[in-house]
Amino acid sequence: SAVISQKPSRDICQRGTSLTIQCQVDSQVTMMFWYRQQPGQSLTLIATANQGSEATYESGFVIDKFPISRPNLTFSTLTVSNMSPEDSSIYLCSVVLGQGYGYTFGSGTRLTVV
Amino acid sequence: GQQLNQSPQSMFIQEGEDVSMNCTSSSIFNTWLWYKQDPGEGPVLLIALYKAGELTSNGRLTAQFGITRKDSFLNISASIPSDVGIYFCAGFQGAQKLVFGQGTRLTINP
Repeated sequence: SAVISQKPSRDICQRGTSLTIQCQVDSQVTMMFWYRQQPGQSLTLIATANQGSEATYESGFVIDKFPISRPNLTFSTLTVSNMSPEDSSIYLCSVVLGQGYGYTFGSGTRLTVV
Repeated sequence: GQQLNQSPQSMFIQEGEDVSMNCTSSSIFNTWLWYKQDPGEGPVLLIALYKAGELTSNGRLTAQFGITRKDSFLNISASIPSDVGIYFCAGFQGAQKLVFGQGTRLTINP
């Protein structure tokens, strides 16, 4: 399985500011996924990040709020822009190596907006 | 999007007891996955199921892919303290888009 390093592991941010979360994978993957897990809730897909193309966002998530970069096959960033307390969540990146591997998740970034 | 209905939402059991949880959907899924999430960590894959009717084991864990392809269950036998956590079912919807259930929070009394 892939090893995913996610930074920062946690942060406390002021409302109105932005935070960029980094995700590094130890192998090349075509697609990387960004999820949000609100307190006590399940995981919700924010967007799919493909290298060399625009990210594909799920309903309810927009690029202006969650811009994503995917400069190569092992790295991606998610920015949470103009934060409000409602953005307080765990943000997780994930990859799938192929059929038979399921999804591998990073350990997540716990964001608190005050 | 499609929803996975996972039950129960929480379980409080004694150490050594068996555990059973399930997941249902109104739509067909081609793959079912079961994950466990510990506090402060991302979900970790426990079992993956790819065929209707498939029964797969991983140590004390057993999971089955329902014959209708709309449900799955996970059993844990002889629970131990490290089984504590949140268990999620997940299914593939479309091209590698993973949909999650609401989770089952397992608490074990020693």
